[in-house]
Amino acid sequence: SQTIHQWPATLVQPVGSPLSLECTVEGTSNPNLYWYRQAAGRGLQLLFYSVGIGQISSEVPQNLSASRPQDRQFILSSKKLLLSDSGFYLCAWSVNRDYGYTFGSGTRLTVV
Amino acid sequence: GENVEQHPSTLSVQEGDSAVIKCTYSDSASNYFPWYKQELGKRPQLIIDIRSNVGEKKDQRIAVTLNKTAKHFSLHITETQPEDSAVYFCAALPNSGYSTLTFGKGTMLLVSP
Repeated sequence: SQTIHQWPATLVQPVGSPLSLECTVEGTSNPNLYWYRQAAGRGLQLLFYSVGIGQISSEVPQNLSASRPQDRQFILSSKKLLLSDSGFYLCAWSVNRDYGYTFGSGTRLTVV
Repeated sequence: GENVEQHPSTLSVQEGDSAVIKCTYSDSASNYFPWYKQELGKRPQLIIDIRSNVGEKKDQRIAVTLNKTAKHFSLHITETQPEDSAVYFCAALPNSGYSTLTFGKGTMLLVSP
């Protein structure tokens, strides 16, 4: 069966520090991968999605970037965090675009 | 692009009552409509979905209905229980290119014992 792993679960980082969040999927190949952010009490904001290695689509211009160095690995990065980057970051995968997404357990990021 | 409106934003019911959450979408080409449940501090989890070639789908106490003509779909929860308390998100997927799910803004359902 397929599983999605996301880490770390919680992170407290100072303003201006770098960020790296990692997500991996097991039990499938060539999944569609997604990064979402959820501010406290708010909806799901799509940040990036990828349909293959090295292919990244950005939905929201900001100081975040994403990379897909391997088929089942998706990384979210920032060179310098802002206070507004605080939130609940969720990685998700789908078999292809015609199926629902399965979300990882999320990373709660607090920028101080 | 697709736009999904979800109502109400908050819904309070007594245990045992029914709850209905409604969503409308703008892109008539959308053909897949999932519903997610997110408990406090947890990940969203898919609870039921429906495709455009079906008008209704049921899974125990939950059901989803789709009206393609009116471009709206609804989640129905019967015999609500306190553990149904969560935020529910609807979503729509346009049938075009590399489109992604567009989510509604969520409904917080509170079920009082």
